[in-house]
Amino acid sequence: DVKVTQSSRYLVKRTGEKVFLECVQDMDHENMFWYRQDPGLGLRLIYFSYDVKMKEKGDIPEGYSVSREKKERFSLILESASTNQTSMYLCASSAYISREAFFGQGTRLTVV
Amino acid sequence: AQKITQTQPGMFVQEKEAVTLDCTYDTSDQSYGLFWYKQPSSGEMIFLIYQGSYDEQNATEGRYSLNFQKARKSANLVISASQLGDSAMYFCAMREGSGSARQLTFGSGTQLTVLP
Repeated sequence: DVKVTQSSRYLVKRTGEKVFLECVQDMDHENMFWYRQDPGLGLRLIYFSYDVKMKEKGDIPEGYSVSREKKERFSLILESASTNQTSMYLCASSAYISREAFFGQGTRLTVV
Repeated sequence: AQKITQTQPGMFVQEKEAVTLDCTYDTSDQSYGLFWYKQPSSGEMIFLIYQGSYDEQNATEGRYSLNFQKARKSANLVISASQLGDSAMYFCAMREGSGSARQLTFGSGTQLTVLP
């Protein structure tokens, strides 16, 4: 059974903290994605990666960075969390030629 | 410019009737893929259907079909015989890009409510 696992379902952090969101997939997929989901805005792509150590900016990369040191793990980093980064964060992965992207269960991050 | 546009923030449909959810896209790539996902209130993202840009036939998966009109750049989802369990948020998405760097972009979603 395919699986994308995000390290936390709920997270509360303080303004200015460095925050790590982890995502692990067990399907040997090349592509991995980080989105944030906000009401009325849908899923907005923050960053994606198509190989180890390779990354591309999505539509809203400001305030975020990513790391992919191993194929199965894709980390989203908030260098200095701000309240406007309170959101649901979704990780996804897909094979290069697959028809489907698989999603994690999401992390609801609250920055106070 | 928006790559994926879903113009219906909310839709209502009577149980057992068909409903069409609109999606238009914008890309200059010749090769791309179009997807529909369902997100119930539980939050999980459920893959429904896929259409490749070179596929000549419209995709179908059970009660779901994708009305693909390439010249108009539209990829509408048709749900036949709606059920109460179809009430959810629906997202249209597009995969584009060359080589291995293939971006997957989503629209803003349509909240579908099925009425008994």
